[in-house]
Amino acid sequence: SQQGEEDPQALSIQEGENATMNCSYKTSINNLQWYRQNSGRGLVHLILIRSNEREKHSGRLRVTLDTSKKSSSLLITASRAADTASYFCATGAYGNNRLAFGKGNQVVVIP
Amino acid sequence: DTEVTQTPKHLVMGMTNKKSLKCEQHMGHRAMYWYKQKAKKPPELMFVYSYEKLSINESVPSRFSPECPNSSLLNLHLHALQPEDSALYLCASSQNVGVGANYEQYFGPGTRLTVT
Repeated sequence: SQQGEEDPQALSIQEGENATMNCSYKTSINNLQWYRQNSGRGLVHLILIRSNEREKHSGRLRVTLDTSKKSSSLLITASRAADTASYFCATGAYGNNRLAFGKGNQVVVIP
Repeated sequence: DTEVTQTPKHLVMGMTNKKSLKCEQHMGHRAMYWYKQKAKKPPELMFVYSYEKLSINESVPSRFSPECPNSSLLNLHLHALQPEDSALYLCASSQNVGVGANYEQYFGPGTRLTVT
């Protein structure tokens, strides 16, 4: 089964609103990462949260991790048109370089 | 320099052609990756190189042949591809994982491959 499976969301919001997306996974992890991908381009790393952390902030991003529920959420506050992208979570296991990517969430921010 | 470069940006090839994709990074990363991504899907890991040695091959068909000539370069040699191999091919690099550690991956912009 695939690690890091986000809730299948296509989110459309107005500029200035907050956007929340979720990710669930099935096995033990060392960390969970969020990436952004603009249409047809490379992925950009947003934030990494380790398995012993519960919440992390980076600018307008807030990530939570609940290892008991094997889930994570990404909150983007005060969204901008430039936040329009696909967002992927990816889980990292112990001791190897492999990242397991989730299905992704498409977010559209309307100016 | 936190950039991963990939060439070419676009590639159209016939099923009998041989071509290569190239990837380069100068961040001193010792882990490099090839991913394949279809439209509206997540990236699928193909290969991982760790200290210039192939450490992970995700059962990729032999028509894809990776090569890591040195710590900064990663190639993907393509031969006798099928139309279903058309996709965005992404290269990434990271610090190499130690036991209990993972690092963020830095991605290149990708090569859009079309097999005719």
